[in-house]
Amino acid sequence: LAKTTQPISMDSYEGQEVNITCSHNNIATNDYITWYQQFPSQGPRFIIQGYKTKVTNEVASLFIPADRKSSTLSLPRVSLSDTAVYYCLVGGGTNAGKSTFGDGTTLTVKP
Amino acid sequence: DSGVTQTPKHLITATGQRVTLRCSPRSGDLSVYWYQQSLDQGLQFLIQYYNGEERAKGNILERFSAQQFPDLHSELNLSSLELGDSALYFCASSTHPDGNTEAFFGQGTRLTVV
Repeated sequence: LAKTTQPISMDSYEGQEVNITCSHNNIATNDYITWYQQFPSQGPRFIIQGYKTKVTNEVASLFIPADRKSSTLSLPRVSLSDTAVYYCLVGGGTNAGKSTFGDGTTLTVKP
Repeated sequence: DSGVTQTPKHLITATGQRVTLRCSPRSGDLSVYWYQQSLDQGLQFLIQYYNGEERAKGNILERFSAQQFPDLHSELNLSSLELGDSALYFCASSTHPDGNTEAFFGQGTRLTVV
């Protein structure tokens, strides 16, 4: 199973773009990359998912290079409410249920 | 609101006891996942069920068991509880059995073993 590595914490200011990178060197061919957001004492919330290249939705973009050994979650113009823990999750396919949550990145957005 | 309902929200029990956590998935979701989140170990996958059948097993202790009923709700049974079992237990559901679809998490059950 692919192990993920993310920065433990990041600080940003309101209105800035934030990029969080996740390393997953052992990603398997049928693995997807999914990012979740979690606020204290709440369940994780899906942000975005991708397999390769770039995916964009209304809240974030996900950049995946050709070798898929890393991925970058991009949050445009963050606000104070984006302060949370962000998890990169690699898995899916036949190993779906065993997808591993890493330690997550605690993002703190300052005014 | 994710549509996934977990009960109870809080549970305090003594060591050696047995508890049951309940999860109602989103309407139409056939797959249910259980996770444990403790302060020192982050989110740990425990077990997955799909349409009543066990689909995948993670780091679930032998003292723990789960099942998914015909109405698709799931229960996680924790027995011979130890202090170290104190954690947040999350249930998630998704439409398909694989991880290629979005999973929706409940608000969790906070278990405190004293």
